[in-house]
Amino acid sequence: QLQLQESGPGLVKSSETLSLTCTVSGGSITSYTNYWGWFRQPPGKGLEWIGSVHYGGSTYYNPSLTSRVIISVDTSKNQFSLRLSSVTAADAAVYYCARLVVDGFALSTWVVYYNMDVWGKGTTVTVSS
Amino acid sequence: SYELTQPPSVSVSPGQTANITCSGGKLGDKYVCWYQQKAGQSPTLVIYHNGNRPSGIPERFSGSNSGNTATLTISETQPMDEADYFCQTWDSSIAVFGGGTKVTVL
Repeated sequence: QLQLQESGPGLVKSSETLSLTCTVSGGSITSYTNYWGWFRQPPGKGLEWIGSVHYGGSTYYNPSLTSRVIISVDTSKNQFSLRLSSVTAADAAVYYCARLVVDGFALSTWVVYYNMDVWGKGTTVTVSS
Repeated sequence: SYELTQPPSVSVSPGQTANITCSGGKLGDKYVCWYQQKAGQSPTLVIYHNGNRPSGIPERFSGSNSGNTATLTISETQPMDEADYFCQTWDSSIAVFGGGTKVTVL
């Protein structure tokens, strides 16, 4: 079945760029209806959506992070990646990648709803000063 | 920005019913998902599209959404259901999560 695996440095220096990769196995990242997303969870806190990418290159970002985030996809490697620049202690968290599948469409607002049906195990990122 | 509000904690006795609420403006006009997260694990989707269960999720999990409140109901709660539960929806193509509810099975 589909599996996602996050990878990347577990320690990033403050003001530098965090880079993580999510490798998709057991399925193709080029499924037309799916998006692929990054999420994070600071210690003891809730989940936060960072952003999502379609294999065709379309991206959506959390407005609170959009100035520092780039999410990209590499179809040849069946991977998608996260870059978060100018990190601070507030960016320390467990980072998860997940598959987004279509859940529904609201005609009244033209919003497509997705659910995250497969998640990676997560990777812990610590920020050092 | 859109916000979802959940109670921080809910306690339930084994075999009883747990109701976890999630509140947001006109939430009933949106689709809501629920995720279960056990300690040290990644989230698991337990309810999508307000009240649908993915394959493999026990029937004791159900969901509803009306007005300003979505509710996750766990019937005949078992000790293995002890976890954090997060509601989630989309607003203007932005994913929004509730703060999470810790369900304790006493």
